[in-house]
Amino acid sequence: GAGVSQSPSNKVTEKGKDVELRCDPISGHTALYWYRQSLGQGLEFLIYFQGNSAPDKSGLPSDRFSAERTGGSVSTLTIQRTQQEDSAVYLCASSFRTGVTNTEAFFGQGTRLTVV
Amino acid sequence: AQTVTQSQPEMSVQEAETVTLSCTYDTSENNYYLFWYKQPPSRQMILVIRQEAYKQQNATENRFSVNFQKAAKSFSLKISDSQLGDTAMYFCALGGTYKYIFGTGTRLKVLA
Repeated sequence: GAGVSQSPSNKVTEKGKDVELRCDPISGHTALYWYRQSLGQGLEFLIYFQGNSAPDKSGLPSDRFSAERTGGSVSTLTIQRTQQEDSAVYLCASSFRTGVTNTEAFFGQGTRLTVV
Repeated sequence: AQTVTQSQPEMSVQEAETVTLSCTYDTSENNYYLFWYKQPPSRQMILVIRQEAYKQQNATENRFSVNFQKAAKSFSLKISDSQLGDTAMYFCALGGTYKYIFGTGTRLKVLA
């Protein structure tokens, strides 16, 4: 596609429910990232996929969070048993790699998750 | 460990004036990129400018330019002729072999 696409744009869920957030990266981009941004705050790294390599999950805040990337393209971030502190904007980005270095990240518009 | 530090949480500038946003970083990698991203209230992250570490020449994009001091690990953004549409959160970011590291951001307000 022309850009990184995320769905849904907004999600309101009840505490304790599971949610799935989707990211469709730019075609040809081998790297995909998930970040979390709480209101007025910076970007908190969650997980990073690079080609067929094992993902870097070091930023996932708890075992309630998981992500997968199917076929090296679309990614789904799943949050189980949501808590109110999970409320945030979840940003997905993708990038192209030259050699061993990732060039600029292109971001989706984000999913605003509200847990009530 | 890689770090990015933005020491100015908020700044304001009069329309048509010039403002400089500061950023320092730390990395042990030799090949890396530095970026400035803009995030307006729409929350869409927009790339403003990028700098390859191996290039000595400072990057320029229209009214936006950087002062890249590699030895000092400093990467500041200068916005000339500020416009109301420049009002946004600005993030400095470091990209290399792995994930991007972002600073905490500087909220810039352009005053009419």
